[in-house]
Amino acid sequence: KQEVTQIPAALSVPEGENLVLNCSFTDSAIYNLQWFRQDPGKGLTSLLLIQSSQREQTSGRLNASLDKSSGRSTLYIAASQPGDSATYLCAVFQLGANSKLTFGKGITLSVRP
Amino acid sequence: EAGVAQSPRYKIIEKRQSVAFWCNPISGHATLYWYQQILGQGPKLLIQFQNNGVVDDSQLPKDRFSAERLKGVDSTLKIQPAKLEDSAVYLCASSSFLTQETQYFGPGTRLLVL
Repeated sequence: KQEVTQIPAALSVPEGENLVLNCSFTDSAIYNLQWFRQDPGKGLTSLLLIQSSQREQTSGRLNASLDKSSGRSTLYIAASQPGDSATYLCAVFQLGANSKLTFGKGITLSVRP
Repeated sequence: EAGVAQSPRYKIIEKRQSVAFWCNPISGHATLYWYQQILGQGPKLLIQFQNNGVVDDSQLPKDRFSAERLKGVDSTLKIQPAKLEDSAVYLCASSSFLTQETQYFGPGTRLLVL
């Protein structure tokens, strides 16, 4: 059974700091990995999707990396801003008879002005 | 392209009452998912439909939860009777048959059971 872990559960940093959010998963047979952002009381917004054959994806100040063999991914946020404050969720997708997206619990980020 | 629509956005009920949530997926998306997200947790898949057939409902508490997608488009999720532990955000997502790895999420319905 796939398990996705995100540690720590919460993180507080001063504005302008570069930061790394970590994600680990137990079954390396994944099709892709996604990082989502969730604002309080809102749905999920997809930030970056990395296919299993890729090593990283970049979008603006965000860079996500994937090391499938070791079951790890990182989301790098450069020059953090207060508007980056949200919960960041990592999810892995596995193809099969029941294709499935498995989520971690998320990391709640607070960027202090 | 319109996104996934859900209603209501918020609902407060007392325990033992019934509640229903509605989801309209992106036009043409054959696969529809209902997730439950309890505060501080990641979303957990409750049920997955392919057109109007159930693909996976292994984590759906069938004694109190039911879901249907009669015409392969809209879907409703019902809880009857509700318990305190059902307080959560209920997220609907959809994906196309050819690109099932990309799910698009609705804004969710926040349920509070008192």
